[in-house]
Formats: sequence, structure tokens, C-alpha cells
Amino acid sequence: QKEVEQDPGPLSVPEGAIVSLNCTYSNSAFQYFMWYRQYSRKGPELLMYTYSSGNKEDGRFTAQVDKSSKYISLFIRDSQPSDSATYLCAMRSTGNQFYFGTGTSLTVIP
Amino acid sequence: GAGVSQTPSNKVTEKGKYVELRCDPISGHTALYWYRQSLGQGPEFLIYFQGTGAADDSGLPNDRFFAVRPEGSVSTLKIQRTERGDSAVYLCASSSAGTSGYNEQFFGPGTRLTVL
Repeated sequence: QKEVEQDPGPLSVPEGAIVSLNCTYSNSAFQYFMWYRQYSRKGPELLMYTYSSGNKEDGRFTAQVDKSSKYISLFIRDSQPSDSATYLCAMRSTGNQFYFGTGTSLTVIP
Repeated sequence: GAGVSQTPSNKVTEKGKYVELRCDPISGHTALYWYRQSLGQGPEFLIYFQGTGAADDSGLPNDRFFAVRPEGSVSTLKIQRTERGDSAVYLCASSSAGTSGYNEQFFGPGTRLTVL
């Protein structure tokens, strides 16, 4: 079993839709939960991070962490064509290693 | 420069050859990470440097892979006797400190390695 499982997608939505992206994990020691966005042929860029459980909002993006269910989500409101990218979840305990999901490819259709 | 840079951006080599991939981190960043990203997969941890030393190299797949960071800045990932399975994008990331708390990793654009 992989440390982090991510819905494979691809996901295609119309402009303005609400997008829900999810990951599950198996390691209860994970404390930091991140969402990255990766455009084609670019490195990942951090969108949001959350420490431990709870919600965090930044503009159109909301990250949720449910440690009891080992489940994290990223919601994108009012999706835009510029949101089209691959979204990666990542997690870390107190150690050095970041564990990434496989990524979900999102296309927002104008 | 403002961000992490990696050279070359693309590298095509033949099976069995030796390659070096370079990473220039953000100035002042003490932590440096190498990842490998295969097609359709997320980045996979290879090695982590804190300063000049490799603090965690547990992700290196075998002894053909080696990385150095002699002056605590630029790092080179070295792959000997390349195999077709080594074909991937190799990403480098740097951050301002180590593992206490959270410190954002900034990624470079990657080096796309193709082994023929």
C-alpha cells in the first residue's frame, strides 16, 4: 500500500464549477499536509499547507484535513481555465521526507 | 536568480552512460532535496541535504545514484551506468531551514532525463 493515495482523474469541469480533489493516507504520524499545483513541464508550486487537522481558506481555495479519517481535500470555487493543471497532495511527519500523491489532472473548460 | 534553477533542462543519453544533473538552490537556503518524477506519478523522494551533508539518502534507489553538495549551495546528482528505467524528470527543491516546523519547498523546473 502506498503511503498516499490520490484520485487519479483526469477531471474535466466547466468554468465556474466547484472542484473537489482528495487524498487518503495510511501513516498516522503525518502532521503537515500540502497541496501543490504543477503546470506541464514545470516544477510543483505550493498552493496551501495545513498543520494537523482543520480547514484553511485562501481566496478560492479551501484545504481540509480530517486526521481521524486520514483524508484530505482541496476545494476550488469558481474554477477558471487558468486552474487547469495537475494537483498534487503531499504529506510529512517530523522527518525529512515528503510523500506525494500521484496527482490529479484538472481541465477547466471555458 | 530568484528561483531554483536546474541544468540541463533536457538530457538524452544512451544506456550505460554516466550523467550529472545540476541544481542551483535559492541563495541562503540550507536545505536541498532531490526528487524523481516518473510519467503520471508524483515526485518521489531521493535525498535531502542540510548544508553540505546528506542528512537522509534513504530514497536513492541503488548505488548507481549519488549526490553531492560540497559547498552547501549547488548540488549535483550523479547517475552511473544509466538504465532505461532511470528515464524521468529529476526535480530539485530548496527551503530555508530543516525539519523543525514547516518550511516551504521551492521547486526548480526539473531536468528531463531520457535514457535510450
